[in-house]
Amino acid sequence: DQQVKQNSPSLSVQEGRISILNCDYTNSMFDYFLWYKKYPAEGPTFLISISSIKDKNEDGRFTVFLNKSAKHLSLHIVPSQPGDSAVYFCAASAPGNTGKLIFGQGTTLQVKP
Amino acid sequence: DGGITQSPKYLFRKEGQNVTLSCEQNLNHDAMYWYRQDPGQGLRLIYYSQIVNDFQKGDIAEGYSVSREKKESFPLTVTSAQKNPTAFYLCATLPGQSGGYTFGSGTRLTVV
Repeated sequence: DQQVKQNSPSLSVQEGRISILNCDYTNSMFDYFLWYKKYPAEGPTFLISISSIKDKNEDGRFTVFLNKSAKHLSLHIVPSQPGDSAVYFCAASAPGNTGKLIFGQGTTLQVKP
Repeated sequence: DGGITQSPKYLFRKEGQNVTLSCEQNLNHDAMYWYRQDPGQGLRLIYYSQIVNDFQKGDIAEGYSVSREKKESFPLTVTSAQKNPTAFYLCATLPGQSGGYTFGSGTRLTVV
């Protein structure tokens, strides 16, 4: 039962263009969402988050959009840079005060020079 | 220089053996978590601890055990009962009830 899904295993974009990574969730009780970036053989690093009371959060080149009615969020990277090439995970904060995160399967982004 | 230290980075285990993965933090964070990463499956929660001397099972706790005797340390033992132990193991901490985790650099466990 995959409550957080990233249906695109991989994405390839040209340097300077926009990268759009998508994530869908099934549990309407999720109220906080996060994106992590991961390089091989390293731990994920926190990128950006959004609360369910917002529909957009922006941090430099990274913007996360949340569509609660569609249970969908997306991460936009503009402009994309070769250093952005990594695996991106979306995660949802599980209900209750446990701090548990439920992760999607990840999307591998390749930014070509 | 605060952070999370996971050791060793690479670990090889023979079938039938137990092995313990170390996770130490000096961030003074209360909550600690163990996740496992497998190709195509994202990160799955094994165990977590929100306070010293207390821990809870995650989604895939079978074949694993943990302890939390000190705030700084949350070791994970992979027992011989874990049927598919080969994976990348990640330890994380959380400063409060929300926000982003801080992850360690991970341990790659391979059963030979």
